[in-house]
Amino acid sequence: AQTVTQSQPEMSVQEAETVTLSCTYDTSESDYYLFWYKQPPSRQMILVIRQEAYKQQNATENRFSVNFQKAAKSFSLKISDSQLGDAAMYFCAYRRGSGGGADGLTFGKGTHLIIQP
Amino acid sequence: ETGVTQSPTHLIKTRGQQVTLRCSSQSGHNTVSWYQQALGQGPQFIFQYYREEENGRGNFPPRFSGLQFPNYSSELNVNALELDDSALYLCASSLGRDYLRNEQFFGPGTRLTVL
Repeated sequence: AQTVTQSQPEMSVQEAETVTLSCTYDTSESDYYLFWYKQPPSRQMILVIRQEAYKQQNATENRFSVNFQKAAKSFSLKISDSQLGDAAMYFCAYRRGSGGGADGLTFGKGTHLIIQP
Repeated sequence: ETGVTQSPTHLIKTRGQQVTLRCSSQSGHNTVSWYQQALGQGPQFIFQYYREEENGRGNFPPRFSGLQFPNYSSELNVNALELDDSALYLCASSLGRDYLRNEQFFGPGTRLTVL
């Protein structure tokens, strides 16, 4: 079974600085997708960014980018120019790609990101 | 366009009771997934419904069951509640089963406390 590990329970960064959140995963599949979700105190999960495993190019969404290292099974999230509104729990998630069935997402335990003004 | 809504927001039950949680999908979405998020943990996949049929299930016992209605709203039912069932229950909707291409939108969750 696949697992997702986030080794940083909490990270703190100064406003306007850059922070990187780590995620590693374990799978025997070759076709899969990786996601970063943000969960603010309102509890509503918001998709930040996603990466298809077959794509070599790292995904980017405005201030958010990923460093996808397929061989190392690593998927880190970089947040540039951190803003107070970025403060939240961040979850890394995995899903098997095509092949049938609805497996759902496998989430890590999350990283609590604190933004210092 | 309304987002995903869930009711109730909070709920307190006692061990052994049964509970029903409700989810209204985002307009036009025909797929709904349910997740359990224990305190301090990431969400865990319970099951998914597509066009009123369960088409995927995580590692949860049969006392966790669900329904999806013709309007694509959904219910999660849990029988014989246990203390470990205390958690935030999230539902997420998307258009089509392949939510890898169609973004999955989450609701704000229902906080269930079992005493």
